[in-house]
Amino acid sequence: GAVVSQHPSRVICKSGTSVKIECRSLDFQATTMFWYRQFPKKSLMLMATSNEGSKATYEQGVEKDKFLINHASLTLSTLTVTSAHPEDSSFYICSARETGSGGGYTFGSGTRLTVV
Amino acid sequence: QKEVEQDPGPLSVPEGAIVSLNCTYSNSAFQYFMWYRQYSRKGPELLMYTYSSGNKEDGRFTAQVDKSSKYISLFIRDSQPSDSATYLCAMSANYGQNFVFGPGTRLSVLP
Repeated sequence: GAVVSQHPSRVICKSGTSVKIECRSLDFQATTMFWYRQFPKKSLMLMATSNEGSKATYEQGVEKDKFLINHASLTLSTLTVTSAHPEDSSFYICSARETGSGGGYTFGSGTRLTVV
Repeated sequence: QKEVEQDPGPLSVPEGAIVSLNCTYSNSAFQYFMWYRQYSRKGPELLMYTYSSGNKEDGRFTAQVDKSSKYISLFIRDSQPSDSATYLCAMSANYGQNFVFGPGTRLSVLP
């Protein structure tokens, strides 16, 4: 089945630094990928929709300049958390669906970000 | 009213029990329905995907959609301790659009 690879799985960074998270569709092409944030014992909160070759669409309340999204190819989207602060510590998950497929979305394994 | 509602649990059942997980929604435009299973500190895994109303069965899992009542269910037969996880329902109105998640139900199957 479709596989989405997300790296790193866990990262600890110092406050003020930037962190990049990669999301790759391994055996399919994805025109659109989604980035979510999940707080402990809470559901997934959509942050932004990443579109290949164009600007990402951000959900209300999500800072575009803080969470930079790049979808440079049909198999790779990246989320960069810039000038990270402790409140950015969270579980970030990407998802994708094969272009033209009518099936459900495949999720990456998530990235646990801890900002100290 | 939240767009998708789901009892957060936790729901504890003995091994071998039939589990019923449910979601209600308010948007009558939803017609694509999904159930995901999420283990702790992992990304969600798609279990079932259905379109419009009706039932769909896959092994021990059965998904039901009742659009008239805006109610969907996931049944797990012969539940196993390995089924212990959080189950998220998700739904969308149009093909290709992102979907709305329920908050998830935490299930514990006790050996």
